[in-house]
Amino acid sequence: SQKIEQNSEALNIQEGKTATLTCNYTNYSPAYLQWYRQDPGRGPVFLLLIRENEKEKRKERLKVTFDTTLKQSLFHITASQPADSATYLCALAGGFKTIFGAGTRLFVKA
Amino acid sequence: EAQVTQNPRYLITVTGKKLTVTCSQNMNHEYMSWYRQDPGLGLRQIYYSMNVEVTDKGDVPEGYKVSRKEKRNFPLILESPSPNQTSLYFCASSLEASGVYNEQFFGPGTRLTVL
Repeated sequence: SQKIEQNSEALNIQEGKTATLTCNYTNYSPAYLQWYRQDPGRGPVFLLLIRENEKEKRKERLKVTFDTTLKQSLFHITASQPADSATYLCALAGGFKTIFGAGTRLFVKA
Repeated sequence: EAQVTQNPRYLITVTGKKLTVTCSQNMNHEYMSWYRQDPGLGLRQIYYSMNVEVTDKGDVPEGYKVSRKEKRNFPLILESPSPNQTSLYFCASSLEASGVYNEQFFGPGTRLTVL
């Protein structure tokens, strides 16, 4: 069955450093991979979408890579800030279904 | 303001008492979906709708029903709730079901407790 894995352990980094989050998947060939941010008690908020034929996408301090051979996406936040502390979800989309990972909690210390 | 609204936001009920969670979007989106979120399991898709009168099962549809009679509304119905349906529920919508515009906009969530 289709499976997405995100690091279940929280990631703790110092302000100003680059945070790198990993999303691995199996038994799936997604057309798109998306990253969302979720704050406690709130709905996820869309951040970035990358297509299967794109290797990298950037938006301000965010960068996403998508390696369909390794079946992996990396999500980078450069110059991280305490306000970046949240849970980050990756999602695979193709056809009409979307499959979400369980998310990785990021803590950025001042 | 473009948004997805859900009601109620919080609900405590008892086993077997039918309930409906409403979802409405004002963005003229074709695609709508329901998810449940449980600790350690992430978001799991319950049902989705590609357009009016077109719905299909997600990964965890058992015990739920949906309908899409109007483009803006997509209610989630629990005919006979059970304690294992205690969860945080999210409704989402997107412009298209597939394609470059399939980023999803989420509602604020409904926290359901079934006793």
